[in-house]
Amino acid sequence: NAGVTQTPKFQVLKTGQSMTLQCAQDMNHNSMYWYRQDPGMGLRLIYYSASEGTTDKGEVPNGYNVSRLNKREFSLRLESAAPSQTSVYFCASRKTGFSYEQYFGPGTRLTVT
Amino acid sequence: GEDVEQSLFLSVREGDSSVINCTYTDSSSTYLYWYKQEPGAGLQLLTYIFSNMDMKQDQRLTVLLNKKDKHLSLRIADTQTGDSAIYFCAETPGTYKYIFGTGTRLKVLA
Repeated sequence: NAGVTQTPKFQVLKTGQSMTLQCAQDMNHNSMYWYRQDPGMGLRLIYYSASEGTTDKGEVPNGYNVSRLNKREFSLRLESAAPSQTSVYFCASRKTGFSYEQYFGPGTRLTVT
Repeated sequence: GEDVEQSLFLSVREGDSSVINCTYTDSSSTYLYWYKQEPGAGLQLLTYIFSNMDMKQDQRLTVLLNKKDKHLSLRIADTQTGDSAIYFCAETPGTYKYIFGTGTRLKVLA
């Protein structure tokens, strides 16, 4: 099992450009998440998808959109990138049942200039 | 507020025990978690504790939970240089919601 995979690993954008971050999991989990990690601020939830076909806003959704393409894939789109979106982005999926722990991808390091 | 608090830094000598502390916010959190993040990597689940437990031991790791004070701690016995990382606690105040602490950077001195 690959677990949670993310592409790309690194990206540099100019202000105003758009891009989509891809995430896929092979653990048959129902729920998937997108977080951003900034220095000294821990992880902040951008969007989550409780199950295929549903998405909900998290703590910091402004400037982002998501698509739950199928049970495996959950993408994050920046329509018009801003320097404030420079961050490390993590995708996670949640174990179904029992302890509900999350499994994280390796992250995408995004710089917006 | 919804801030899960952790101290920012901890430095210990190799072979000593490390204790990382966390104060969480929501007494209804069913599970509490500890994650480890190594440089350039994602978060890796270390252990979790169910809210009706006071303690959980898993090899070198011991988790203590004080629900009255909303205090969670992670003890790492015989700390090794490979334990150097950032450690995050997390709580689950809602069905799909997780709140992470700001992380404690553990440095192990040889």
